Amino acid sequence: LAKTTQPISMDSYEGQEVNITCSHNNIATNDYITWYQQFPSQGPRFIIQGYKTKVTNEVASLFIPADRKSSTLSLPRVSLSDTAVYYCLVGPSYSSASKIIFGSGTRLSIRP
Amino acid sequence: DTGVSQNPRHKITKRGQNVTFRCDPISEHNRLYWYRQTLGQGPEFLTYFQNEAQLEKSRLLSDRFSAERPKGSFSTLEIQRTEQGDSAMYLCASSSGLGLALVGTDTQYFGPGTRLTVL
Repeated sequence: LAKTTQPISMDSYEGQEVNITCSHNNIATNDYITWYQQFPSQGPRFIIQGYKTKVTNEVASLFIPADRKSSTLSLPRVSLSDTAVYYCLVGPSYSSASKIIFGSGTRLSIRP
Repeated sequence: DTGVSQNPRHKITKRGQNVTFRCDPISEHNRLYWYRQTLGQGPEFLTYFQNEAQLEKSRLLSDRFSAERPKGSFSTLEIQRTEQGDSAMYLCASSSGLGLALVGTDTQYFGPGTRLTVL
């Protein structure tokens, strides 16, 4: 089971691009990388998922280098409403549900 | 699609009492998950249903916890003889996974959670 390491917290300002990196040195061949966002008093919300290279959707981009030992969630032009906790999950597509591990996440604070 | 709903949103109980939480998943979603989240930590997996079958339970889940999903629709999570250590946010999520595969790549849709406080 791939363990993930994320910064505990990050600060940025409105309008900036924010990059949150997740380390997963022992990622396995069939592991996918998934990011969730969680606001206070709410359940997590799916942001993006990828296997390799780059994935982009209307909310964020996910960059995965060739060795896949890390991944970077990129949030373009953040606003105050992007203040949340961001979780990086790594797990195989064919997986026991008990292996879905959220970890402690990265607490992102956006300032005006 | 009204999203995942959970009731109640808050529950305060005394130690030793039994509590039951309800989760209504997104209609047509065949997978349902329960998680527990304590302050400053990410959600911790408790149990998982595929339709009405409970396929997995966390080894951390004590015998005081039981979950059901009759008819593969809503689910209930019951905690018997509550302890102060049970105080947490209980989250429910659902997904439209197919078969037993792809659990790790499921997009899970979470409800707002039930916050339990045991006095």
